[in-house]
Amino acid sequence: ETGVTQTPRHLVMGMTNKKSLKCEQHLGHNAMYWYKQSAKKPLELMFVYSLEERVENNSVPSRFSPECPNSSHLFLHLHTLQPEDSALYLCASSSHVDGDYSNEKLFFGSGTQLSVL
Amino acid sequence: KNQVEQSPQSLIILEGKNCTLQCNYTVSPFSNLRWYKQDTGRGPVSLTIMTFSENTKSNGRYTATLDADTKQSSLHITASQLSDSASYICVVSADTGGFKTIFGAGTRLFVKA
Repeated sequence: ETGVTQTPRHLVMGMTNKKSLKCEQHLGHNAMYWYKQSAKKPLELMFVYSLEERVENNSVPSRFSPECPNSSHLFLHLHTLQPEDSALYLCASSSHVDGDYSNEKLFFGSGTQLSVL
Repeated sequence: KNQVEQSPQSLIILEGKNCTLQCNYTVSPFSNLRWYKQDTGRGPVSLTIMTFSENTKSNGRYTATLDADTKQSSLHITASQLSDSASYICVVSADTGGFKTIFGAGTRLFVKA
């Protein structure tokens, strides 16, 4: 176990559904991330939160809405998704010092495999 | 443009054999390079990290090398085991402050009995 727990592990949803992905970290880290992993493509950073404040948003469509209520929990709210949004969604956490994330090891959850029909 | 390219895309080897995975990058200014292992159905797990001044780092049967001049890294796996079957992802961070980490697409390794 990496100390980062994601639920659900699998999710199938229609394009008109609303669902949420949940992530919880038990490592005392101060940064949390959402990544999208599509087949044979590099991981794509979606959002970064530092101490519950969003510090990075890589031009993600508004149908993805993150929420970070505290430093241990992160949510990704989904609505009116498209079939091309089907992918593995990974949550990660790390510790950073003074906003420098470059040296920090990312600890990943096992991901949510999302299928949009 | 900051990029990380890995080769081969996939690789099949017999159990007990050695193999080497390649990573070329154009990330600048360079801060560090990590190799992650991702088992099927799991998230990536860090294997090694190397900074500019380090040219080799080992973790058990995994040995990573770094040539900062040519901007190349390799991951060598010795005496492969069935459990080594996974994707291996090269990740390069830029020394720009803030968040600038570039992921490669990974090499999918299959170890056969």
